[in-house]
Order: sequence, then C-alpha cells, then structure tokens
Amino acid sequence: DGGITQSPKYLFRKEGQNVTLSCEQNLNHDAMYWYRQDPGQGLRLIYYSQIVNDFQKGDIAEGYSVSREKKESFPLTVTSAQKNPTAFYLCASSTRTSGGVTDTQYFGPGTRLTVL
Amino acid sequence: KNQVEQSPQSLIILEGKNCTLQCNYTVSPFSNLRWYKQDTGRGPVSLTIMTFSENTKSNGRYTATLDADTKQSSLHITASQLSDSASYICVVTTENKLVFGAGTILRVKS
Repeated sequence: DGGITQSPKYLFRKEGQNVTLSCEQNLNHDAMYWYRQDPGQGLRLIYYSQIVNDFQKGDIAEGYSVSREKKESFPLTVTSAQKNPTAFYLCASSTRTSGGVTDTQYFGPGTRLTVL
Repeated sequence: KNQVEQSPQSLIILEGKNCTLQCNYTVSPFSNLRWYKQDTGRGPVSLTIMTFSENTKSNGRYTATLDADTKQSSLHITASQLSDSASYICVVTTENKLVFGAGTILRVKS
C-alpha cells in the first residue's frame, strides 16, 4: 500500500445519497487515479489527475466527480446519478513522465462501497 | 479493441509446487507489461515490469516472461507458499493508458 491511504475501508450508502471517498498520498507523486473493481473484471479507470487543479475523465466517469485542490489529496464523490455504485474502489498514484502517466502506479488499500 | 485476457480464471495448488499464469493481449501500440499481486481486500502491488525488448524479469520466486511477437506473457511462481494466495493481475500500457486483465485467483493449500 506504500504511502497511500484510503478511508473509510467499508462504506454503506442509501440509494439517492452522495458519498465521498478519501485518498491521501505522501509519496510526492504528481499523478493520482481512481479505479473501480468489480468481480471477474479488470480495473476500470474513473478519473485521473496529472497535476493540482486539473483532472480528466477516465473510461467510466459518469456518476462520479473528483477534485484536486492539493497534491496529496484526490477525493472521489459517488453521486446518486451512478446507477450501480456497489464496488471496490481503488486509488493510485505515480510520478508523472513527460509523455503522460505510464509510470508504475502505487495503490491504496481500497474502499468497499455498498449501496443498501 | 485493446484487451488483456488472463488464464486460468482460478487455480488451486499445493504448497511447494510451481505454477504458471498466462496473459494474452491485443493491445497496440505496446509500451510495457506489468504483473501485480493483489491480496484479498487490498490494493495491487507491482511484481515486475517488462518493456518490448525484455524477455524475462525475476522478482524472487516470481519470474515473468514476455513474447512480444505472439503478444503473450506468463508469470511463473516457484516453490509456492501459502502467502502466494492472491489475485495476479496482468496490465499492459498503451499510449499512456493502462489496460487491466481480470486477474487469476491463486489459492495455495497446505
């Protein structure tokens, strides 16, 4: 897990509620990412950020929002617009290469979100 | 379509035995290939990374191979231990994007 922390470890949400997942890193990495992991599927990229105050949509951004106000923090909000939010959410960070974001990514321990 | 396929989906072996996990990809252009180990309920941890010119890379009892011509990679685990029980994920990088396989779930029994 390195220097990346995610909280909480488990999260329960009622339908129609927004919920925010925390991700903090002390690795001095410029780039941060949010992934969603479902059983039997590969990780899917939700959002990523290469630098403070900038972020881009990944493959499945609908129903999610992020902010990057500090280098160390990249919180993810799961909104009520996300139709099937129950999943394991992973945050990662990496150094930023000149060409993009392909350096080795270090993952946090994950947050398991369950919608009741 | 960029895809990474892993086999088998799951595997059970006895402690001390060797095993080999497979990864086939159709990702193009190819930048590098990584193998990650993910313990249950935890985040993935990088085991190896290989570029186009590398055929093999070792990390302790883990040895990864890459055949860029056939677009295949394997992860060989030698003298398995109970702590090797985990999901092993193959990840291929293309044009600054990572494509993840679904993983192989390995269970090592005593």
